[in-house]
Amino acid sequence: GQQVMQIPQYQHVQEGEDFTTYCNSSTTLSNIQWYKQRPGGHPVFLIQLVKSGEVKKQKRLTFQFGEAKKNSSLHITATQTTDVGTYFCAGEDRGGSNYKLTFGKGTLLTVNP
Amino acid sequence: ETGVTQTPRHLVMGMTNKKSLKCEQHLGHNAMYWYKQSAKKPLELMFVYSLEERVENNSVPSRFSPECPNSSHLFLHLHTLQPEDSALYLCASRNLGRSIEQFFGPGTRLTVL
Repeated sequence: GQQVMQIPQYQHVQEGEDFTTYCNSSTTLSNIQWYKQRPGGHPVFLIQLVKSGEVKKQKRLTFQFGEAKKNSSLHITATQTTDVGTYFCAGEDRGGSNYKLTFGKGTLLTVNP
Repeated sequence: ETGVTQTPRHLVMGMTNKKSLKCEQHLGHNAMYWYKQSAKKPLELMFVYSLEERVENNSVPSRFSPECPNSSHLFLHLHTLQPEDSALYLCASRNLGRSIEQFFGPGTRLTVL
């Protein structure tokens, strides 16, 4: 079945440093989504990428979808303590159902003020 | 608040108990999901209901029994659970055909003694 790998598992940064998490799928995706889960909270949708090579920005967050639609990245510029949480990627398999997401294990980001 | 509520928020039960988790969505969505979130594991999809019909059952043990009486409500009935079933159980909903975003509830933190 489809697998989604995400690295790193943990990342600790000083406030103001940049942060990147990477996501790789074993199969070609129709789209990829990113979610953020604050400590003690639940996943919250951030963004969806659909097109090959797509790049989207949300303030200090930059999301990329690879040309082959099998990998993606999330980059945060100048991290702040409010960025703390676990970032998950989730892929919809191009050949699969359109209701099912496969989640990566997530990257836990901690920020030292 | 995402429009998805879950009760109870915390549950401690013995292995011989029977309990139920409840999820309610106020968003008019037509698909609902149960996920299990354990430490150091990806979000595991357990069940998917689309238009009140179960469309996915990811080889979940029969001690977990879902019920979807209408498009707004989803239950997870639990009986004779094992300690390894202790986890955060998340409900999510989505409007299939209109949006890709899944809206998650706050989760039920389950501890099986």
